Amino acid sequence: GAVVSQHPSRVICKSGTSVKIECRSLDFQATTMFWYRQFPKQSLMLMATSNEGSKATYEQGVEKDKFLINHASLTLSTLTVTSAHPEDSSFYICSARDLSASYEQYFGPGTRLTVT
Amino acid sequence: QKEVEQDPGPLSVPEGAIVSLNCTYSNSAFQYFMWYRQYSRKGPELLMYTYSSGNKEDGRFTAQVDKSSKYISLFIRDSQPSDSATYLCAITLGNQFYFGTGTSLTVIP
Repeated sequence: GAVVSQHPSRVICKSGTSVKIECRSLDFQATTMFWYRQFPKQSLMLMATSNEGSKATYEQGVEKDKFLINHASLTLSTLTVTSAHPEDSSFYICSARDLSASYEQYFGPGTRLTVT
Repeated sequence: QKEVEQDPGPLSVPEGAIVSLNCTYSNSAFQYFMWYRQYSRKGPELLMYTYSSGNKEDGRFTAQVDKSSKYISLFIRDSQPSDSATYLCAITLGNQFYFGTGTSLTVIP
C-alpha cells in the first residue's frame, strides 16, 4: 500500500522557537496533502489543505502566519510552526491523496510536538 | 448538524466478540465511505473503503453501507486484543473528507 512518512516523529522545543515537520509520500504522487492536529482522545482536526505549487487553504480559526505550509513537490509538504508556544503542543498528522485513487487518503505516522 | 456523527464510546468487549461500529451522515451526495484504525500515538491506517450500498468483507472485517438510511457500519468478527484501537469513519465528497470523532475499542483477553 501507499506509504506516507513524517519527520521528525517526536520533537521538543523551547517556547518562541520554530519547528518544521516534513511529510513525504514515498511511493506515489500526491497533488493534495492535508495537515491535521489531534489532541489526546479526540478526533482529527483538519488544519489546512495543501496543493502542490499553490498556496495552502486553511480552515477557519487556523492562523496561516503561525502554521506555514509549503508543498514544493508532488511528494513533499512541510508544516512550520512558528514562534511555538506550549498550547501548540499536540500530535500533528499529515495525509496525502493518491492521484490514481481519488477516494483514498493515506496518513503519516504523526509528529508529537512538545513546547516547553 | 455535523456531516458525520460517530458514537465515541468507549467500547469494551471480551475477546472473540462481534463488534459493531457505526456512523451516520447527513449528505446523500457523499461518495466514498472509509474506515480507519488508529493505534495510540500513531497515524490512522486505512482499513476498508466502499462506495456503494451493501456489504464488503475483508477477513474478519465487514463494512456495510446503507445509503437510504445514511448509515455505515464496520463489523469485526472474532475480535482480538490487537484490534484495540480507535476506529474512525470517513466520508468523502469531491476533495472534502469528513471524519467521525472516532470510537475507542478495547478487546479484553
